[in-house]
Amino acid sequence: GAGVSQSPSNKVTEKGKDVELRCDPISGHTALYWYRQSLGQGLEFLIYFQGNSAPDKSGLPSDRFSAERTGGSVSTLTIQRTQQEDSAVYLCASSLEGTGRSRAQYFGPGTRLLVL
Amino acid sequence: EDQVTQSPEALRLQEGESSSLNCSYTVSGLRGLFWYRQDPGKGPEFLFTLYSAGEEKEKERLKATLTKKESFLHITAPKPEDSATYLCAVRYAGGTSYGKLTFGQGTILTVHP
Repeated sequence: GAGVSQSPSNKVTEKGKDVELRCDPISGHTALYWYRQSLGQGLEFLIYFQGNSAPDKSGLPSDRFSAERTGGSVSTLTIQRTQQEDSAVYLCASSLEGTGRSRAQYFGPGTRLLVL
Repeated sequence: EDQVTQSPEALRLQEGESSSLNCSYTVSGLRGLFWYRQDPGKGPEFLFTLYSAGEEKEKERLKATLTKKESFLHITAPKPEDSATYLCAVRYAGGTSYGKLTFGQGTILTVHP
C-alpha cells in the first residue's frame, strides 16, 4: 500500500518568511509524528498526534513552530518567521497505535528546508 | 546525558565480511527498541522492533538482538547494497513524551565489493 507522503520535497525560503510542510500518513494509522534531522543533531522529536487526544508538543523548539492534524489524517507543520537554524530535513512518520505494544513508526521521504 | 549511543560511528567492510553494530541505552521502562536503515536523501526505513531482553529478529542478512542494556545488529556476509546509515531508537515509559522515539546518532556502514 501507499506509504507516508510529504510535500514539498524541497523548500528554499528567505529568512523571516513563513513555511508550511504537509504530511499524508498511511491510511488507517492513528498516530502521526514530526521529527527534524540536521547534521550533527541526529533525529529530534517535534510533535506527536494520537487519535483525538491533545497533541504532545513537548519537542517543539520555539513558539514559531506549530502543527495541526485535520480530520485525523493530514498534518501541516508551520514554521513562522523562519531562521537559518531552521534549515534541516523535516520528517513525518505514522503508526498504528493501540493498547498493546509500541508499534513501529513508518517515515516519509522528508522535506528538505533551506533558509537563506 | 546520552540515552541512546551507537557505535562505531562508521564501519567499512569488505563484501562478505560479517560484523556487528552496537546500540546501548540508559533509559528505564523500555517500551520498544527499533532499528532503521536510512539511505542518503531518504527517510528511515523500518527494519525491526525488539521488546524484551533475549529477543531476536532476523531478516535476510540482518539479525537484531536485545539485552537489558544494549542491542546488536549483526550483518552476515554483507553486500554493497547493505551500505547505508543504520539508526537505533528507543521508546520508553519515562521522559516528557510517551509517543516519541529517541534516536542514536547512527552508524554509517560502507560495504566495498
